[in-house]
Amino acid sequence: QQQVKQSPQSLIVQKGGISIINCAYENTAFDYFPWYQQFPGKGPALLIAIRPDVSEKKEGRFTISFNKSAKQFSLHIMDSQPGDSATYFCAASRRAGNNRKLIWGLGTSLAVNP
Amino acid sequence: DVKVTQSSRYLVKRTGEKVFLECVQDMDHENMFWYRQDPGLGLRLIYFSYDVKMKEKGDIPEGYSVSREKKERFSLILESASTNQTSMYLCASNTGGSSYEQYFGPGTRLTVT
Repeated sequence: QQQVKQSPQSLIVQKGGISIINCAYENTAFDYFPWYQQFPGKGPALLIAIRPDVSEKKEGRFTISFNKSAKQFSLHIMDSQPGDSATYFCAASRRAGNNRKLIWGLGTSLAVNP
Repeated sequence: DVKVTQSSRYLVKRTGEKVFLECVQDMDHENMFWYRQDPGLGLRLIYFSYDVKMKEKGDIPEGYSVSREKKERFSLILESASTNQTSMYLCASNTGGSSYEQYFGPGTRLTVT
């Protein structure tokens, strides 16, 4: 059972276009929603994250939109560049005892054509 | 900068061999994690450790064990490697408690033949 559903599995965008990756969750106990970026040959790295008390967070060309009532959140990459080509993972975090549990989406492979 | 290092980038082992994957972090982090990454399956948690000598099973612990004798080092052990354990293995760490961010190593690509 996939607790965090991510789509699409792969995405091809032209340089300068907007890349949009969507995620949905069920468990309302999640209270932190990060996006990780992974380049080939590297481990994932935190890109941007949002709490459910805000509807949008922007960092440079990257924006998270969050819809609490729909239990959905999405990553928008504006003015997509070839250097953005990577795998993107959404995730959702909740408390688990004294620590936090991170539930991952399955990932989206983004290719930005020059 | 947080640094998580993994002992090997690529490893080729034979079926039935005992395999050790080592991970070291230099930020005095409490928590350490082992994931495997397979195409279309995302990141799946194998084990994590929240303190020295403490461990908890993740989502797919079967066929694996772990060891954490020192705070900075977390080892993943495949007691008897099988071909279905061919995968990318990622180690991560964080400060624990309410910490959200996980810091990843570069991964070890393990091939079992």
